[in-house]
Amino acid sequence: DQQVKQNSPSLSVQEGRISILNCDYTNSMFDYFLWYKKYPAEGPTFLISISSIKDKNEDGRFTVFLNKSAKHLSLHIVPSQPGDSAVYFCAADFGNEKLTFGTGTRLTIIP
Amino acid sequence: NAGVTQTPKFQVLKTGQSMTLQCAQDMNHEYMSWYRQDPGMGLRLIHYSVGAGITDQGEVPNGYNVSRSTTEDFPLRLLSAAPSQTSVYFCASTNLGSNQPQHFGDGTRLSIL
Repeated sequence: DQQVKQNSPSLSVQEGRISILNCDYTNSMFDYFLWYKKYPAEGPTFLISISSIKDKNEDGRFTVFLNKSAKHLSLHIVPSQPGDSAVYFCAADFGNEKLTFGTGTRLTIIP
Repeated sequence: NAGVTQTPKFQVLKTGQSMTLQCAQDMNHEYMSWYRQDPGMGLRLIHYSVGAGITDQGEVPNGYNVSRSTTEDFPLRLLSAAPSQTSVYFCASTNLGSNQPQHFGDGTRLSIL
C-alpha cells in the first residue's frame, strides 16, 4: 500500500511560469516531509523540507505547502527555469530518518 | 567534497552470483541506509544503520545483507543474485535526530541475467 503518492507521472510547464507538483499521503503520523530532485544517472538531491508543525516553508524560488487536514503537500517553483527539468520525489518520515518515497513526477520546462 | 561515494556505478551479474555494493561517506554521519529504485515504485528502503555495529531491516530486506564495522562504510551484499534484484541502488547518510536531509550517492545500476 503506497503511503506517499504522486499521482502525476509527468508535468510540462513553460519557462518563467509556476510549476506545481503535488503529493498526497495516507499516514497522519508522518512528522517530516521532503522534496528531492533527481537528474538522470545521479542520486536524489535534497531540495526543501517542512515539519508537520508548519504549513509553509520557502527557500528562494521553491515553496512547499503542507495541508495536514487534507494529507496533501505541494511544491511550487516560480519562476520555472530549464535547469528545473528533472524528476521530483516527495518523501516523508516519522522523525526516524526512514524515508517513504512517492513514485516521482517528471517535470519538463519548455523554453 | 566527496559526500557519499558508491562503487561500482554499473554491474552485470549472472543469477546465483554474489557481490558487494560499496558505500562510503566522509561526513561523519551516524545514519546510513540503502534504497532501491525500480520503475514506477519510487525508492524503497532495504536496510539501515544508526551507527557502527548496529543495523536493521527496512521495507524490502530479503536477499540482502549489510554490516557496519566503521562509521564511514556501509556495504550491501547480495549473497545469491536473482533477476528480481535488477535495480538501481542508492546509499544515503545523515545525522541522527536532527531532521537533517539525507545525502545520496549517485547510485549503482545492477543487472541480473
